[in-house]
Amino acid sequence: KQEVTQIPAALSVPEGENLVLNCSFTDSAIYNLQWFRQDPGKGLTSLLLIQSSQREQTSGRLNASLDKSSGRSTLYIAASQPGDSATYLCAGGGFYGQNFVFGPGTRLSVLP
Amino acid sequence: GAVVSQHPSWVICKSGTSVKIECRSLDFQATTMFWYRQFPKQSLMLMATSNEGSKATYEQGVEKDKFLINHASLTLSTLTVTSAHPEDSSFYICSARDQRRTNTEAFFGQGTRLTVV
Repeated sequence: KQEVTQIPAALSVPEGENLVLNCSFTDSAIYNLQWFRQDPGKGLTSLLLIQSSQREQTSGRLNASLDKSSGRSTLYIAASQPGDSATYLCAGGGFYGQNFVFGPGTRLSVLP
Repeated sequence: GAVVSQHPSWVICKSGTSVKIECRSLDFQATTMFWYRQFPKQSLMLMATSNEGSKATYEQGVEKDKFLINHASLTLSTLTVTSAHPEDSSFYICSARDQRRTNTEAFFGQGTRLTVV
């Protein structure tokens, strides 16, 4: 059974810093790895999807990598801004018909 | 991009009543949809897998008679919380994947915040 963990649980950084969020999963037979953002009391916003044949994806200041062999994914945020403050969730997905398993999230605070 | 619409976004109900939450895939078909629950300051936990035309599959510890799931069409799944109690207050969110594409992202609804008073 897939289990997903995220480190750190919380992170507070000054504005402008580059930072890395970590995600680990136990089952390397993962099809997709997706990163989400969740603002307090809100739903999920999909940030990046890394499919099984890919190793990384980039969108603006965000870069996500996937290493299936080691069971790890990282989300890199460049030049962080206060608007980046949110909880970041990673989720591992199986083939179609299988659900995504979520990590517990990393709560990020970017201080102005 | 693909959109999943969830309704209502929030609901307050009295203890003992039932609440229905709808999840629609707007521009794709989904034979499978997923229902998650998120308690405060916790991550999303899968409650059940909704299968079009057949019975839902529930995760361990989730009461199937309390959380009724109906997936009557390829674009609509409903979750009904029956005889709701305050401990059912939570954030419920559905997810669907485009059945035409096997290796694709999951699209999530906006979520429904249920408060039982």
